[in-house]
Amino acid sequence: EPEVTQTPSHQVTQMGQEVILRCVPISNHLYFYWYRQILGQKVEFLVSFYNNEISEKSEIFDDQFSVERPDGSNFTLKIRSTKLEDSAMYFCASSSKEVAESSYEQYFGPGTRLTVT
Amino acid sequence: DAKTTQPNSMESNEEEPVHLPCNHSTISGTDYIHWYRQLPSQGPEYVIHGLTSNVNNRMASLAIAEDRKSSTLILHRATLRDAAVYYCILRDAYSGAGSYQLTFGKGTKLSVIP
Repeated sequence: EPEVTQTPSHQVTQMGQEVILRCVPISNHLYFYWYRQILGQKVEFLVSFYNNEISEKSEIFDDQFSVERPDGSNFTLKIRSTKLEDSAMYFCASSSKEVAESSYEQYFGPGTRLTVT
Repeated sequence: DAKTTQPNSMESNEEEPVHLPCNHSTISGTDYIHWYRQLPSQGPEYVIHGLTSNVNNRMASLAIAEDRKSSTLILHRATLRDAAVYYCILRDAYSGAGSYQLTFGKGTKLSVIP
């Protein structure tokens, strides 16, 4: 069964450093997402991406964040200058648009645990 | 997105059915009811969704009230692997043309007792 993969599984970085989190969505999917979950809190939407551009973003997704689909398979989230409060699990997800019926379920990856020290 | 209300936690014995309720009294006519779950230390996982009629799939059943103001996710035989946080989420089918954010609440933490 196809699945979303994410690397690395755990990233430790120092405050102020740049990090890039990587995701490989399911191959025929068209919509890509990033969410984050701070320990013990709710899963929060960050950004959605379609047709090589951002389609929606939350207030969390400020100028320190960017997303890119550098090739036909990878989808990345970059945090330009990490802060302590960026420590969280980051989940990538993808979905397809099916013609016949609204079947917009999202498939999530296992997540990258980002620890900012 | 319209708001949903779920119990914070529930318990079930292994191999017994589980009924997880969700109230969504402000649901609109074009809102789909989606259920996701999150197993410990994993990403959320799609379970099932529906609009008006009851739905079954290999994982669960979804029973939707006639007035659509509530729904119930049914796990027919709970296993230890079903211990997770279950999220009931409403999504407008006509918003975003397929690109949409999921708004997660706190969900219901299901514990399964061996």
